[in-house]
Amino acid sequence: DIQMTQSPSSLSASVGDRVTISCRASQDISNYLAWFQQKPGKAPKSLIYGASSLQSGVPSKFSGSGSGTDFTLTISSLQPEDFATYYCQQYNSYPLTFGGGTKVEI
Amino acid sequence: QVQLVESGGGMVQPGRSLRLSCAASGFTFSSYAMHWVRQAPGKGLEWVAVISYHGNNQYYADSAKGRFTISRDNSKNTLYLQMNSLRAEDTAVYYCARDFGTSVPEIDYWGQGTLVTVSS
Repeated sequence: DIQMTQSPSSLSASVGDRVTISCRASQDISNYLAWFQQKPGKAPKSLIYGASSLQSGVPSKFSGSGSGTDFTLTISSLQPEDFATYYCQQYNSYPLTFGGGTKVEI
Repeated sequence: QVQLVESGGGMVQPGRSLRLSCAASGFTFSSYAMHWVRQAPGKGLEWVAVISYHGNNQYYADSAKGRFTISRDNSKNTLYLQMNSLRAEDTAVYYCARDFGTSVPEIDYWGQGTLVTVSS
């Protein structure tokens, strides 16, 4: 199975900050990587697929980059509604696997 | 708009069975593969199973193999997860999710989830 490792596991930031979350795959997954946002008590929301493509309706302050084993999610200017937990997920092969999550706190 | 509504969760004793349902609307259900993903209390996301759009192909996480069965009824726009021999570690919120990928499994929409608690 492909292991996905996110860092950091949590971070504190302020409104307006630029935030970067890292995700590393245990083997080459090309660009088969997605990012999801989850707020407490809510279902995950899809943000990015194909490592860098925004899902419909997702604001452009979110961006993704990377290929192979190293990926990044960037939030350009953190807003109050962005405080949440973010997960990366590989879909290069089954079983699909998620990173452990990064909690973005105020 | 796309809607996925799970149901069937609840409290069940270890060793018993439960069937979850996911009612889909707002899109052509029979054209999309579908997934189940779960989340134990306070933990991260864990993929459980996927079924192809026609229902002929399924893949499972090791934790689900031999105990869980994913199925679908395209005439009813409904996805199912039959869970047998339930264990305490199966306690989680179970989400169904739509797969919009054409050649690889890519998830876009998620349901709101249904809680399964396995306890004596």
